[in-house]
Amino acid sequence: TQLLEQSPQFLSIQEGENLTVYCNSSSVFSSLQWYRQEPGEGPVLLVTVVTGGEVKKLKRLTFQFGDARKDSSLHITAAQPGDTGLYLCAGDEGGGADGLTFGKGTHLIIQP
Amino acid sequence: DVKVTQSSRYLVKRTGEKVFLECVQDMDHENMFWYRQDPGLGLRLIYFSYDVKMKEKGDIPEGYSVSREKKERFSLILESASTNQTSMYLCASRTGFWQPQHFGDGTRLSIL
Repeated sequence: TQLLEQSPQFLSIQEGENLTVYCNSSSVFSSLQWYRQEPGEGPVLLVTVVTGGEVKKLKRLTFQFGDARKDSSLHITAAQPGDTGLYLCAGDEGGGADGLTFGKGTHLIIQP
Repeated sequence: DVKVTQSSRYLVKRTGEKVFLECVQDMDHENMFWYRQDPGLGLRLIYFSYDVKMKEKGDIPEGYSVSREKKERFSLILESASTNQTSMYLCASRTGFWQPQHFGDGTRLSIL
């Protein structure tokens, strides 16, 4: 099983600030997904990145897949309290029906 | 929208009981998954199924079994519940290989 290291584990910032969350592995993934989870709910898919170097934007969220498909980042611009939640990256090893390999998540709190 | 429904949001059982967690998806997805989520450990794959009556062990299958008699339903069974199985259980499904997973809202299971 491949491992995904996610950092930081916890992040508390003020509304309006920018932030970046990192997801790193020593192994290659065929695709990588980012999820957001709120307390008492299941993870909700934000984006899937597939191609090395790919950049996807979702409003104020920018997702990037590393050129070698070993790492990814999530950048939030002008964070808002509604962005508060647990952000999870998950790698798909590909080639079969295996489940995703998840990072342990980043707990993000945006203070008004 | 994809709908993955888990039968219970909260469940309290006693040590030694046989426990059934049910998951139903309404999008004719081929693959279904069961994860557990614990603080500091993230999501870990218990079992997955890539087709009806097919099942494969994930990373932590000990103490669990699964059943998939119909395509839309994937059940997780705790054969003899123990306190270390207290956790948040998440079901997910996807169309097929390399497609994103969609999660239910989870079942928070407490074993007393």
